[in-house]
Amino acid sequence: EPEVTQTPSHQVTQMGQEVILRCVPISNHLYFYWYRQILGQKVEFLVSFYNNEISEKSEIFDDQFSVERPDGSNFTLKIRSTKLEDSAMYFCASSGVAYGNTIYFGEGSWLTVV
Amino acid sequence: RKEVEQDPGPFNVPEGATVAFNCTYSNSASQSFFWYRQDCRKEPKLLMSVYSSGNEDGRFTAQLNRASQYISLLIRDSKLSDSATYLCVVTSDSWGKLQFGAGTQVVVTP
Repeated sequence: EPEVTQTPSHQVTQMGQEVILRCVPISNHLYFYWYRQILGQKVEFLVSFYNNEISEKSEIFDDQFSVERPDGSNFTLKIRSTKLEDSAMYFCASSGVAYGNTIYFGEGSWLTVV
Repeated sequence: RKEVEQDPGPFNVPEGATVAFNCTYSNSASQSFFWYRQDCRKEPKLLMSVYSSGNEDGRFTAQLNRASQYISLLIRDSKLSDSATYLCVVTSDSWGKLQFGAGTQVVVTP
């Protein structure tokens, strides 16, 4: 079964450092997303991306965050200057060619900011 | 008011028993409804979509009540492997912007 893959699975970073989380969506998917889940809390939408641009973003997705699809296969989330409160599991997700297709999640990247 | 509310549980269920729980949503314009399953520190996985007429997938039955703005999930003949957190998920005007509830924990015991 095709899957969304994410790297790294776990990253520890110092406050103020830049972090890039990488994702390889399912190959024929066109819609890409990042979600996050702070430990013990609900999964929260960050951003959706389609046709090489952001479709929608949440209030959480401020100027510290950016996304990119640099090479047609990877989809990255960059956090420019990490804060303690950025510690969370970050899930990449993708969905198919038609609007409304099922959204599949990657296994997540656990970010710890110290 | 939270957009999607769930009873956090845990629901402790003997193996073979039936368990049911609900979720309420606040946005009457919500269009699509799902149950996802999440195991500890894992990604959410789609369990089933929820349709207006109600739908069943094996031991799982989902219902939608638009008038009262709630959806339900019923698990029959519970298995140990059903132990997980069940996430109620709703979309409104934007397909990819899934709104998650905090989850209902189910623990199936031998």
